[in-house]
Amino acid sequence: LAKTTQPISMDSYEGQEVNITCSHNNIATNDYITWYQQFPSQGPRFIIQGYKTKVTNEVASLFIPADRKSSTLSLPRVSLSDTAVYYCLVGDPLKGGGADGLTFGKGTHLIIQP
Amino acid sequence: GAVVSQHPSWVICKSGTSVKIECRSLDFQATTMFWYRQFPKQSLMLMATSNEGSKATYEQGVEKDKFLINHASLTLSTLTVTSAHPEDSSFYICSASSLGSTYNEQFFGPGTRLTVL
Repeated sequence: LAKTTQPISMDSYEGQEVNITCSHNNIATNDYITWYQQFPSQGPRFIIQGYKTKVTNEVASLFIPADRKSSTLSLPRVSLSDTAVYYCLVGDPLKGGGADGLTFGKGTHLIIQP
Repeated sequence: GAVVSQHPSWVICKSGTSVKIECRSLDFQATTMFWYRQFPKQSLMLMATSNEGSKATYEQGVEKDKFLINHASLTLSTLTVTSAHPEDSSFYICSASSLGSTYNEQFFGPGTRLTVL
């Protein structure tokens, strides 16, 4: 599994756009990039997944450059409730098939202030 | 979306007792369930992988005789912490995936806070 590196913490203000970057220099050809969100004392929640270029859903966007050695999770107009830990994971869907446990890195603790 | 529940949500027990935690997939059949442990201010650590009807696969460093895992049906897996000690106090989280799901597509339970006195 490709190792990921994220900033330990970030802070921002309500209404701002927040971008969290994850480095994964050893990403393999078949690897996908997935982001999870975790609130204190809760299980992680899936946010978004992508392979290349840009993916957007109702809560976030994921930008992946052509070399795929990094990815950026973009949260538009954050609110206080977006304060959480965000994890970037990399893995091969064909190899795993949902049968492998996830390897979580240290994650990024995002703090949103009023 | 797929829902995974855990019971209990928290438990306090005396040192030396055993504690059972249940993980259920409520609206889908989970061919594989995973158990994680998370200490305060740390990331999730995978403990074991549980496949329905077969023995669990434990990660290196996890004592299989201490953390008993049973996956008797496609909707239920249990984790029993035997002879619990204070150092076993942690947040235990399960997740589940279904046959044909893609990698990283796991649905997590809300977690169980275990405190051993």
